[in-house]
Amino acid sequence: GQQLNQSPQSMFIQEGEDVSMNCTSSSIFNTWLWYKQDPGEGPVLLIALYKAGELTSNGRLTAQFGTTRKDSFLNISASIPSDVGIYFCAGLVVYNDMRFGAGTRLTVKP
Amino acid sequence: SAVISQKPSRDICQRGTSLTIQCQVDSQVTMMFWYRQQPGQSLTLIATANQGSEATYESGFVIDKFPISRPNLTFSTLTVSNMSPEDSSIYLCSVGAGVGGYTFGSGTRLTVV
Repeated sequence: GQQLNQSPQSMFIQEGEDVSMNCTSSSIFNTWLWYKQDPGEGPVLLIALYKAGELTSNGRLTAQFGTTRKDSFLNISASIPSDVGIYFCAGLVVYNDMRFGAGTRLTVKP
Repeated sequence: SAVISQKPSRDICQRGTSLTIQCQVDSQVTMMFWYRQQPGQSLTLIATANQGSEATYESGFVIDKFPISRPNLTFSTLTVSNMSPEDSSIYLCSVGAGVGGYTFGSGTRLTVV
């Protein structure tokens, strides 16, 4: 099946810094999604992208669907302590087949 | 989007026993999905459960080990059978969110001793 390569694996940043993470694949996806998982919780959808080249924002978060449909990135601006968590990219080819990246563990130091 | 109630939230079980995890959705959904998240790992799809038919299992997962029930459009159960320490994971149910993504339950953290 399709494999998603997510990087970096972990990030340690200072509060107020910007963050960037990305996901690449050798396969094409029709939908790219970014999730955040807090400890003891299930993943929560942050941003969904549906078209190649699409750039979407959700507050301090911005994500883009790569033009080749094989990659996506997520940026977080002006990080705050509550941004701590694990961020997952996910790709959908068809509705019932979503694949997840390995996750980026974000630590924000006050 | 749908609200999912999953229980138990956590359990510690003896090896060789079975645990049934329940997932209740506040609206009718056609497909429900069960995922496993091993410690420090990403999410892996176990199976897709449709009401009125057998669940569809992903490679590496079998019905004898992970039997699934889907008696109606708002409820599903996943059983982890004959457990071993390697089954220690977080198990999550999810449903389509209507915008191309999925909504997840809060997960069941299983520890097998």
